[in-house]
Amino acid sequence: QQQVKQSPQSLIVQKGGISIINCAYENTAFDYFPWYQQFPGKGPALLIAIRPDVSEKKEGRFTISFNKSAKQFSLHIMDSQPGDSATYFCAASLSGGSEKLVFGKGTKLTVNP
Amino acid sequence: DVKVTQSSRYLVKRTGEKVFLECVQDMDHENMFWYRQDPGLGLRLIYFSYDVKMKEKGDIPEGYSVSREKKERFSLILESASTNQTSMYLCATGRNTQYFGPGTRLTVL
Repeated sequence: QQQVKQSPQSLIVQKGGISIINCAYENTAFDYFPWYQQFPGKGPALLIAIRPDVSEKKEGRFTISFNKSAKQFSLHIMDSQPGDSATYFCAASLSGGSEKLVFGKGTKLTVNP
Repeated sequence: DVKVTQSSRYLVKRTGEKVFLECVQDMDHENMFWYRQDPGLGLRLIYFSYDVKMKEKGDIPEGYSVSREKKERFSLILESASTNQTSMYLCATGRNTQYFGPGTRLTVL
């Protein structure tokens, strides 16, 4: 019930291509869905987040698509750049409670020049 | 800018030693978290605290304890370190948005 399933585990994309990472959740009470980006040797940092009252959120080249009925959300990175090479984690949480984040297992993205 | 600092970037300990990992935040956040990160397993919550002296177990609390005597400081304690506790340990603070420290890579020999 508390799991967030993330795929793929790893992804290799050419520079300029689109990177797509998918996540699925079970708990319909989740109401906050952030994506974190982690570079080697650093802690994860918030990249972009969405709440279930919208189906899409875009910030620059990064877009979250959210499908409430399918209980799925995805991160799209347009015009992927070598500097986007990092590990990406999706997460979900319940507001108003302990606000613990449940993380997916991560996707290692490599963008080749 | 939120600053979350962890006491050590790298630590090497022997089996059976008591290990203290310390985390300090400067944003007056009530919530603080300890995670461990292992390849292929993602981030797993060990313990979290929502106020001074308050703590709750996360998903993998066995072999760990925590201490929060002051709001800005949250310590993770390995009572008797074992080799299977070799991992990257990450502290975080905040509400829905969590701000992470740089991590401590702990090796237990």
